[in-house]
Amino acid sequence: EVQLVESGGGLVKPGGSLRLSCAASGFTLSSYSMKWVRQAPGKGPEWVSSITSGSGTVYYADSVKGRFTISRDNAKNSLYLQMNSLRAEDTAVYYCATTLTVTNAFDIWGQGTMVTVSS
Amino acid sequence: EIVLTQSPATLSLSPGERATLSCRTSQSISSNLAWYQQKPGQAPRLLIYESSNRATGIPDRFSGSGSGTDFTLTISSLEPEDFAVYYCQQRRNWPPYTFGQGTKLEIK
Repeated sequence: EVQLVESGGGLVKPGGSLRLSCAASGFTLSSYSMKWVRQAPGKGPEWVSSITSGSGTVYYADSVKGRFTISRDNAKNSLYLQMNSLRAEDTAVYYCATTLTVTNAFDIWGQGTMVTVSS
Repeated sequence: EIVLTQSPATLSLSPGERATLSCRTSQSISSNLAWYQQKPGQAPRLLIYESSNRATGIPDRFSGSGSGTDFTLTISSLEPEDFAVYYCQQRRNWPPYTFGQGTKLEIK
């Protein structure tokens, strides 16, 4: 069964750091473009970052550029999001997602992990 | 950045009725639009891709249409499980991928 499972969320103070993980099963993560998408309470989803298959080119939303780093570990079939200099506005549920089929859309999502930035 | 505007913000209908949700983009995106359904406490679920194609396992009461800047999601006859929030999303011009602000479909 194809599945994505996020972990690593929690409560962190402004200026702090957190590392999110996304474990993939049922497919080889490095063969697909992977994304992080977040959703603040009561808001719509917001794309955060992508890493392409193969070469692993990375892209970031302007709101997180210079603070967040996306990476993957092929041996562990896992995706990561290192989040530094966290702000209150980074508070959200963070999902990893991917496009496994010809849809060109986000057709597989994890269950999400909550990140709360508060003093 | 392409901005997606969904209307209405809230749609109140009864089971069995027809629902029509709109998504307008700030510039032309051809047919590169997807629709997602989200229920409380769950991740979004892909319904429609490339404007009019149903994703795997999606009932045929869901249909999508449109191209350019104007798109529509139609639910032909509402079932109780269809009451949720719906989002549109474009992939034409990324980064960034962008989503609409959502339409909440509630029971009247």
